[in-house]
Amino acid sequence: DADVTQTPRNRITKTGKRIMLECSQTKGHDRMYWYRQDPGLGLRLIYYSFDVKDINKGEISDGYSVSRQAQAKFSLSLESAIPNQTALYFCATSDPERNTGELFFGEGSRLTVL
Amino acid sequence: DAKTTQPPSMDCAEGRAANLPCNHSTISGNEYVYWYRQIHSQGPQYIIHGLKNNETNEMASLIITEDRKSSTLILPHATLRDTAVYYCIVRPPLYGGSQGNLIFGKGTKLSVKP
Repeated sequence: DADVTQTPRNRITKTGKRIMLECSQTKGHDRMYWYRQDPGLGLRLIYYSFDVKDINKGEISDGYSVSRQAQAKFSLSLESAIPNQTALYFCATSDPERNTGELFFGEGSRLTVL
Repeated sequence: DAKTTQPPSMDCAEGRAANLPCNHSTISGNEYVYWYRQIHSQGPQYIIHGLKNNETNEMASLIITEDRKSSTLILPHATLRDTAVYYCIVRPPLYGGSQGNLIFGKGTKLSVKP
């Protein structure tokens, strides 16, 4: 089983719908991240959380919100999806105790907004 | 914006060494250089990182110039499975007591050919 699990893996929705992408991890890491990937643009950071009570905006947080329900769970929400939020979304974790900055990624959630 | 510059694409013959360059001329003294790769649309995978000295692990070697303004990732015997996008990342310095976050650029698409 994967250490970082994202659900759903694929989702097609319509403009204006509310969408939630979920991430759970079994690595025991405090730090979790949501990235977005668009073709030719690399990965861009949406939100990150250094522990359950800590939420921080990344480069492109507009139109998104997050919830850190527990150490192991970090959800990304699109309150009213729009077509330019069509992208591949990745959740990641890191271990601050190691202080190496290494990220562990999930397999991605592909979202299409029509 | 990413603090690194990489060629958009490279080819390598199977069994030969793949040398992927990265320029990071504005790197700060306490910033690490990280390499990740992404195979097709899977989650990025950590390869290696370093500060000043050259590093080697089971996957690759990292050569950092003495002035730290550039580095090279070496895959000693490339296989078809090494075909991927390779990201060179400079980790932002620590600030506010929190760990800086990895910012991905566009990377180099490495194609390993038979």
